[in-house]
Amino acid sequence: KAGVTQTPRYLIKTRGQQVTLSCSPISGHRSVSWYQQTPGQGLQFLFEYFSETQRNKGNFPGRFSGRQFSNSRSEMNVSTLELGDSALYLCASSLWGAAEAFFGQGTRLTVV
Amino acid sequence: GESVGLHLPTLSVQEGDNSIINCAYSNSASDYFIWYKQESGKGPQFIIDIRSNMDKRQGQRVTVLLNKTVKHLSLQIAATQPGDSAVYFCADVTPGNQFYFGTGTSLTVIP
Repeated sequence: KAGVTQTPRYLIKTRGQQVTLSCSPISGHRSVSWYQQTPGQGLQFLFEYFSETQRNKGNFPGRFSGRQFSNSRSEMNVSTLELGDSALYLCASSLWGAAEAFFGQGTRLTVV
Repeated sequence: GESVGLHLPTLSVQEGDNSIINCAYSNSASDYFIWYKQESGKGPQFIIDIRSNMDKRQGQRVTVLLNKTVKHLSLQIAATQPGDSAVYFCADVTPGNQFYFGTGTSLTVIP
């Protein structure tokens, strides 16, 4: 079966703009989590959605938001971009409560 | 807050040797722990997990050890191969299914 798909793979934005990233989970997976990965910081949890509801949220400012659709596809949005938002944004899907989360290849966002 | 940390940021081993990657965690209420492997340009890939009520679990060429007394987790890779070169992350999973990752250890296998 198809894996987790994230689009776009690469993105360049300027400061102050906003961006929307998309994630299509593995078929049948209803939980989608988002992470930010930067050099030296590792993976930092952004939020998790299950059945269109945000279940968990990490320690990120309100500029970071997300949503999940009825088909489990998820989007995350970052408004008023800052240089420090440059990172690899990873999406992972899983069955609720399962240990094994499957990651996509990520979206590389560069803010200039 | 809770934290998951790695003892060594880089590790180099000879091909064929065993590798040991260590991880410390702080949340004693965690349900389980997971090791991920991330190769360059790819997302993290699940390797093995262990429940908090276990102290050892073995997979194919990998073994995870959990010491709850000192809140320490390790990943042992037997007969390390060049394809094992990657960054390895441990993750601490809370009862609410929230994942906390360490910064990662970069493993380099020397042929």
